[in-house]
Amino acid sequence: DVKVTQSSRYLVKRTGEKVFLECVQDMDHENMFWYRQDPGLGLRLIYFSYDVKMKEKGDIPEGYSVSREKKERFSLILESASTNQTSMYLCASRPPAGELAFFGQGTRLTVV
Amino acid sequence: AQRVTQPEKLLSVFKGAPVELKCNYSYSGSPELFWYVQYSRQRLQLLLRHISRESIKGFTADLNKGETSFHLKKPFAQEEDSAMYYCALRRGGNYQLIWGAGTKLIIKP
Repeated sequence: DVKVTQSSRYLVKRTGEKVFLECVQDMDHENMFWYRQDPGLGLRLIYFSYDVKMKEKGDIPEGYSVSREKKERFSLILESASTNQTSMYLCASRPPAGELAFFGQGTRLTVV
Repeated sequence: AQRVTQPEKLLSVFKGAPVELKCNYSYSGSPELFWYVQYSRQRLQLLLRHISRESIKGFTADLNKGETSFHLKKPFAQEEDSAMYYCALRRGGNYQLIWGAGTKLIIKP
């Protein structure tokens, strides 16, 4: 069973902390994505990566950065967490030219 | 502008009744559209894609280019259909998706 695994299901962090959200996939997919999911807003793309060490900004990259040192791992970094970054974060992966069909279980981040 | 609109945040129907979740899109090219579903405490998953013209779990969706719509339909709702449903549009050559805001479907017993 193929998997996209996010390291934490729930996280609570303080304002100003540096936060790392980890995502690992075991399907050898080139493309990986980070979204945030908010009620009434759907999914919004933060960053994506189409290869190791490659990254592209999505629609809402401000306040975030990413790291892709290995093909299977894509990390989302909140440099200085703020309360407006409280959200559900979803990681996803897909093969080149394929449908986006593989999602992680989500990380619910609360910034207090 | 490229956009996906799901006009209903919440849709509540009785078990056995027909269901239609609306999705309208705005896109200048040839659209590729998808429906995704997220059941309570489960991962987001791809439900169906318009190019396959398939029926999944009794759901179908037809692309209507004239009305720029891709509504999701099921003739007889079941309680297990209760979930969050997202419509998504693939944009351009990089295969990124534009997402609707989602519709929460509640099937009442």
